[in-house]
Amino acid sequence: ETGVTQTPRHLVMGMTNKKSLKCEQHLGHNAMYWYKQSAKKPLELMFVYNFKEQTENNSVPSRFSPECPNSSHLFLHLHTLQPEDSALYLCASSQLVMGGNEQFFGPGTRLTVL
Amino acid sequence: GQQLNQSPQSMFIQEGEDVSMNCTSSSIFNTWLWYKQDPGEGPVLLIALYKAGELTSNGRLTAQFGITRKDSFLNISASIPSDVGIYFCAGQLQGAQKLVFGQGTRLTINP
Repeated sequence: ETGVTQTPRHLVMGMTNKKSLKCEQHLGHNAMYWYKQSAKKPLELMFVYNFKEQTENNSVPSRFSPECPNSSHLFLHLHTLQPEDSALYLCASSQLVMGGNEQFFGPGTRLTVL
Repeated sequence: GQQLNQSPQSMFIQEGEDVSMNCTSSSIFNTWLWYKQDPGEGPVLLIALYKAGELTSNGRLTAQFGITRKDSFLNISASIPSDVGIYFCAGQLQGAQKLVFGQGTRLTINP
């Protein structure tokens, strides 16, 4: 029922691999987000895109490279990751309005780095 | 950075019991959101609150925006097994786009 889809749902990769996570929102929103969710930690915001322009990079290592070709699609390109990067990566979208920012999440990609 | 203190961290209750959880902060928030996350899934928005003192219901769920704008509460009445999961609060500071998330309350229900 979610308007935000993510693929793949699960990914196992070695430290030398290159992979990409994909997110698509079908809600007509103009803002998209990448979050990292690790065990026993609050959700960590990674990147924010408004009208497909990056407006926030929350001190994310360069081995994570986002791409937003349009307001409906968001990618996270991964290369030379570390085992500590294993986590659930969540994409979210919202409609930028005054007074509120209800973000809608996708189901996430469970990433395991070996 | 900003922090939200969410409590309790976990709850173990019997089916049919009522549940209460809350989030507090030293900062004033413009918006409070409550999410639920099932295992292996992303958070799902339950309730959004925009005005101090606002009380909003969604079925058996009721949430309130604290009058000081520094806290919010979520109550679940007559819990059922599908209420199991992790509940997150999120706050939005005035003028900011980012959400600040609590650490979550893990709810376990014994049938």
